[in-house]
Amino acid sequence: ILNVEQSPQSLHVQEGDSTNFTCSFPSSNFYALHWYRWETAKSPEALFVMTLNGDEKKKGRISATLNTKEGYSYLYIKGSQPEDSATYLCAFNDYKLSFGAGTTVTVRA
Amino acid sequence: GAVVSQHPSWVICKSGTSVKIECRSLDFQATTMFWYRQFPKQSLMLMATSNEGSKATYEQGVEKDKFLINHASLTLSTLTVTSAHPEDSSFYICSARDWLAGDYNEQFFGPGTRLTVL
Repeated sequence: ILNVEQSPQSLHVQEGDSTNFTCSFPSSNFYALHWYRWETAKSPEALFVMTLNGDEKKKGRISATLNTKEGYSYLYIKGSQPEDSATYLCAFNDYKLSFGAGTTVTVRA
Repeated sequence: GAVVSQHPSWVICKSGTSVKIECRSLDFQATTMFWYRQFPKQSLMLMATSNEGSKATYEQGVEKDKFLINHASLTLSTLTVTSAHPEDSSFYICSARDWLAGDYNEQFFGPGTRLTVL
């Protein structure tokens, strides 16, 4: 079982503020890292696939960076909105997905 | 596109009964489907990988006779929890891989099934 850790476990953000959180993963044999956004009672939604030769990924106000040498990825949310409230999962891909436990973001209006 | 449904969304059953959970890819063909399990405040844990028309591959520690997986078509996989006991109570979620998808094992997830065994 691969050790994929996300921190913090949860965070509360004021509307309009920016925030970021971390996913750490094994730094050897990197293939890809996935970020998912998971709202309650819905399906996890794919945000990004971070690959070895990839640059920073961006989707609207959400972006992600990757450091394969040291084994971490950051997800950033700029100008948080209430609709950003969700659990954000990362998954290390070595042909199977090994998930972190997620960071639950709550944006307060 | 790439929608996966799961049914039921929640189920309560008595100890000793069997429960079947369905996972369907609605708008694509899924040669491979995956079943995960999640305990409270823990990560999604892969239980098994199923390929259409062949036997599922189970992860270490997952009882194949307890968790029966059938993937008889390109759009449907089922997970049957046999002789369920309270310790099987958990959140079960499936995902599917689009046969025509590119690299990186992109998976599309269903919304999950909450199983409670009394």
